[in-house]
Amino acid sequence: SQQGEEDPQALSIQEGENATMNCSYKTSINNLQWYRQNSGRGLVHLILIRSNEREKHSGRLRVTLDTSKKSSSLLITASRAADTASYFCATYNQGGKLIFGQGTELSVKP
Amino acid sequence: SQTIHQWPATLVQPVGSPLSLECTVEGTSNPNLYWYRQAAGRGLQLLFYSVGIGQISSEVPQNLSASRPQDRQFILSSKKLLLSDSGFYLCAWSHKLGQGSNQPQHFGDGTRLSIL
Repeated sequence: SQQGEEDPQALSIQEGENATMNCSYKTSINNLQWYRQNSGRGLVHLILIRSNEREKHSGRLRVTLDTSKKSSSLLITASRAADTASYFCATYNQGGKLIFGQGTELSVKP
Repeated sequence: SQTIHQWPATLVQPVGSPLSLECTVEGTSNPNLYWYRQAAGRGLQLLFYSVGIGQISSEVPQNLSASRPQDRQFILSSKKLLLSDSGFYLCAWSHKLGQGSNQPQHFGDGTRLSIL
C-alpha cells in the first residue's frame, strides 16, 4: 500500500541548528502533507505541498518535493526546544485514505 | 473557527469490558470524520471513517465499531475489550472538497486507552 516512510527515525540536535527530515512514498500523489505530534497529543497539520510544486515555505519550515524520486523533505531552520516532537509525512492513496509514515522523532536540546 | 473534542483523555479498562469513546466537532458542517489508532507513539492506523450520518466504513476487521448518530459526533465502541485494544486513539475531521483529497485532517488530542 502507498505509505510515506520517514528518515531518520530519530534525530537529536542542538537549539539553533537546522533539522532535516526526509520522506519517501511509493505511488503517484496529488499532494503530500507534513504533520507534527507533540508527546501525548494529537497531530497538527503543518504544510501541504501539491504535486506540481517543488518547494514551499511556512515560517521556519521549508518543504521540498521531488516527484521523480518520490521523495519530500522537511527542513526546520533555527530549531528551538519547542520544536521537539514527532514529524509525519502523509499522502492520500487512490482510495481517498490519508496514509501516514512511521514518523521522525526530533529532539532539540537547549 | 473549528474545534474538535475527544474524551476521555485517558481510560483504564479491564479485559472484556465495553468501550465508548466520543468525538465532537464544532464550527463546521458535514465533515468527514476518522478514527485512528496509534501504537507506541508512532504510525497511525485508520480504523473507521465516515462521510455522513450513519455512513461508516471500516478499514480493519476487529472487535471495534463506530457510529455517527449526528453530523458532528463520532463514537468508537466495543462490546468486549481485548488486551490488544490498548493504544492511543485519535479522532480527526476534514472538509469534503475534492472527496477528501488535498484536504488536511485536523486531530483531537486523543484518548490513551490501557487494558488490564
